[in-house]
Amino acid sequence: AQSVSQHNHHVILSEAASLELGCNYSYGGTVNLFWYVQYPGQHLQLLLKYFSGDPLVKGIKGFEAEFIKSKFSFNLRKPSVQWSDTAEYFCAVRTSGTYKYIFGTGTRLKVLA
Amino acid sequence: GAGVSQTPSNKVTEKGKYVELRCDPISGHTALYWYRQSLGQGPEFLIYFQGTGAADDSGLPNDRFFAVRPEGSVSTLKIQRTERGDSAVYLCASSLGGGGPPTDTQYFGPGTRLTVL
Repeated sequence: AQSVSQHNHHVILSEAASLELGCNYSYGGTVNLFWYVQYPGQHLQLLLKYFSGDPLVKGIKGFEAEFIKSKFSFNLRKPSVQWSDTAEYFCAVRTSGTYKYIFGTGTRLKVLA
Repeated sequence: GAGVSQTPSNKVTEKGKYVELRCDPISGHTALYWYRQSLGQGPEFLIYFQGTGAADDSGLPNDRFFAVRPEGSVSTLKIQRTERGDSAVYLCASSLGGGGPPTDTQYFGPGTRLTVL
């Protein structure tokens, strides 16, 4: 069965530090990849998505992610985090051609001002 | 405009009871998803509707769970003979849809927190 692993469950950074959150999935076929964010007290919202083409995807608020097919990875990055990036981040995978999203367990990011 | 809304926001029930959870998608969105999120976990896919029909219900855990969307807008998730393990946040999402596998963005609602005593 498909699965998504987010190895960092809690991350604490100071403002201006660089961020990289890991996401690995287990499926050998074509996938669509997503990062969602949930700010405190708010709904889940899409940060960025990858369907095809350039494996480096840019999303909102300065976030980007790189799809590395050989490593089954889709890591999320941001060069310089802000206090307002404090949130929970979820990686999700959908097998191309299906409707079923598989989410990781999430990473709680806390940015210290 | 209005986002996805879910009612009630909180539901406390007793083991063995029946519950209904409601989702109002964004107007004009034909695709609708239900997820369940347990503490410390990510959202778990339950079912996907395209219009009135369930296009993929493979995530429903057992036959106590059922969902409907009779007019292609509002959806109700129904849980019979609730168990303590059903306690979770139930999330609904909608997207524009269009019939084929969706490539558009899902918009999530605030969720219904279900507690089974």
